[in-house]
Amino acid sequence: GEDVEQSLFLSVREGDSSVINCTYTDSSSTYLYWYKQEPGAGLQLLTYIFSNMDMKQDQRLTVLLNKKDKHLSLRIADTQTGDSAIYFCAETLDSHGSSNTGKLIFGQGTTLQVKP
Amino acid sequence: KAGVTQTPRYLIKTRGQQVTLSCSPISGHRSVSWYQQTPGQGLQFLFEYFSETQRNKGNFPGRFSGRQFSNSRSEMNVSTLELGDSALYLCASSPLSGGDEKLFFGSGTQLSVL
Repeated sequence: GEDVEQSLFLSVREGDSSVINCTYTDSSSTYLYWYKQEPGAGLQLLTYIFSNMDMKQDQRLTVLLNKKDKHLSLRIADTQTGDSAIYFCAETLDSHGSSNTGKLIFGQGTTLQVKP
Repeated sequence: KAGVTQTPRYLIKTRGQQVTLSCSPISGHRSVSWYQQTPGQGLQFLFEYFSETQRNKGNFPGRFSGRQFSNSRSEMNVSTLELGDSALYLCASSPLSGGDEKLFFGSGTQLSVL
């Protein structure tokens, strides 16, 4: 079935790198996304990767995609206290598949805690 | 370009009442999706509207309904509120550019049912 798995919690020290991992199930996903949610706010699209890419870098963010293992990761370099938030990965729903989960299937979110 | 706007930001209701939440998508976006977010269940898909038609629906009871207007603005309604309906309700719009289903979220409406 459709499922996106993430670890629930990650704690790092300010200045260190953070790596948030995600596994997904739908190999037909065209795009995979990372969203960030700060307390009391909606989800902010952080970055995304097209499924035919292995890596995408955007300033402090690096996304790695391993299609064979259906594994997606988000690396945040030089993590700052302002990066403390919940991070969600999401995959595109196969347009020919079930539609009761909406356009995107979200993981349960990883809470990133950055200690000063 | 203005982002997705949700109103109201906070709502307090009592059991049995009904509530209507509003969402204005990004200009030019024609698809609007609604999600319920709770600490225990995470993000759960409610429904999606496109061109005033409901395209997809999640596994929620009939007390949850929605609609979309010709200007793409959307409303969702919850009737006969229950304590378990307390949640952050998120609206998201997308441009529907064929295969790229980026969702842009509003800040949400925090509903508390007492």
